[in-house]
Amino acid sequence: DAGVIQSPRHEVTEMGQEVTLRCKPISGHDYLFWYRQTMMRGLELLIYFNNNVPIDDSGMPEDRFSAKMPNASFSTLKIQPSEPRDSAVYFCASSLQPNSPLHFGNGTRLTVT
Amino acid sequence: AQSVTQLGSHVSVSEGALVLLRCNYSSSVPPYLFWYVQYPNQGLQLLLKYTSAATLVKGINGFEAEFKKSETSFHLTKPSAHMSDAAEYFCAVSFSSGNTPLVFGKGTRLSVIA
Repeated sequence: DAGVIQSPRHEVTEMGQEVTLRCKPISGHDYLFWYRQTMMRGLELLIYFNNNVPIDDSGMPEDRFSAKMPNASFSTLKIQPSEPRDSAVYFCASSLQPNSPLHFGNGTRLTVT
Repeated sequence: AQSVTQLGSHVSVSEGALVLLRCNYSSSVPPYLFWYVQYPNQGLQLLLKYTSAATLVKGINGFEAEFKKSETSFHLTKPSAHMSDAAEYFCAVSFSSGNTPLVFGKGTRLSVIA
């Protein structure tokens, strides 16, 4: 398996623009997680899905953030409008169970100017 | 609140020296415990996991961790550090019977000095 695939690897955008991050989980993994990593706050869980259904989105910082999983092989995280404080590395991860080992993608480094 | 504490945001060791990265958790229920490693510009990779079998768990790259219930600790060790071990290390805990996501510590950056 190719592992968890995220795109793009780098995204630079201006404040106010819409940003869409993409993730393809490992086939057969029922759980998908979106994390944000910053120097100040470390690794934060934003939202996770089970069988394409959002289970807990309490980590989503505000209404500007939204995530979808239209099918078992694809998920998006959207920020609209983006702000400089959203600059971070965003990781997608998948697993068989919530407490199974997580398989992480290589992340998307987002810079909002 | 359930939490994971990694003592020391940065640890520096000499090449060949013992590596000790500390992790403590708050839980009254035996948890699932993990260590992950993150190399620059990459995602996290699983180093090892504890799932209530042997208390001493061996992982990849010569790392091991010991679960001590009385101390609520799961410290990561390696007898002899290599330059290639320089990375960020994260302790993660699943606090319930398995139905909740992992809680990660804030990470410890390991530097290895030649």
